[in-house]
Amino acid sequence: DQQVKQNSPSLSVQEGRISILNCDYTNSMFDYFLWYKKYPAEGPTFLISISSIKDKNEDGRFTVFLNKSAKHLSLHIVPSQPGDSAVYFCAAANQAGTALIFGKGTTLSVSS
Amino acid sequence: DSGVTQTPKHLITATGQRVTLRCSPRSGDLSVYWYQQSLDQGLQFLIQYYNGEERAKGNILERFSAQQFPDLHSELNLSSLELGDSALYFCASSLRTGVPSGANVLTFGAGSRLTVL
Repeated sequence: DQQVKQNSPSLSVQEGRISILNCDYTNSMFDYFLWYKKYPAEGPTFLISISSIKDKNEDGRFTVFLNKSAKHLSLHIVPSQPGDSAVYFCAAANQAGTALIFGKGTTLSVSS
Repeated sequence: DSGVTQTPKHLITATGQRVTLRCSPRSGDLSVYWYQQSLDQGLQFLIQYYNGEERAKGNILERFSAQQFPDLHSELNLSSLELGDSALYFCASSLRTGVPSGANVLTFGAGSRLTVL
C-alpha cells in the first residue's frame, strides 16, 4: 500500500511557464514533506521541504504548498527552465523520522 | 559530488550469487540509510543504521542484510540473488537520526546498479 503517491508519471512544460507537480499521501502521522530532484546517473538531491505546521514554503523559483485536510502537497516551479528537467520525488516522514517514504516520482521535461 | 560514496557503480552477477554493496557516508554523518529503486518503482526504504546500531527496518528481504562499521561505512549484503533483485541501490546519510529535515536532510550517493542474469 503506497503511502505517498505521485499520480502523474510525467509532465511537459515550456520554458518560462509554471510547472506544478502533485503529491498525495495517506498517512496522517506524516509531519514533514520533502521534494528531491534526480538527474540520470546521479542520486536524488534535496530540493525543498515543509513541515505540517506550515502551508507554504518558498525558496527562489521553488514553492511547496501543503493542504493537510486534503493530504495533498504540490511543488511549483516558476519560471521553469530546461535545467529543471529531471525526476522529482515527493517524500514524507513522521516526527520520529525513522524512515523517509518516497513516491514513484514524476519526470519533468522543460522544453525551450 | 554529494560526499556519499557508493561502490561498485555497476555490478552484473548471476542468480543464486551473493554480492556486497559498500557505502561511505558524508563526513560527519552518523546515520546511514539504504534504499532500493526497481524499474517503475519509487525509492523503497530498506534499513537505517545510526552510529553502528540498527535504527529502523523497512521492506528488507531476509536474504538481505546490512551493517554499519565503527568507521561508519556501511555494507549491504544481498544473497541468493534472484532476477527481481536487479535494481538501483542507493545509500544516503544524515547527521543524526530523527526528522530528516533542515540540517538533517538525507544526502544520497549516486547508487549501485545491480543486474542479476
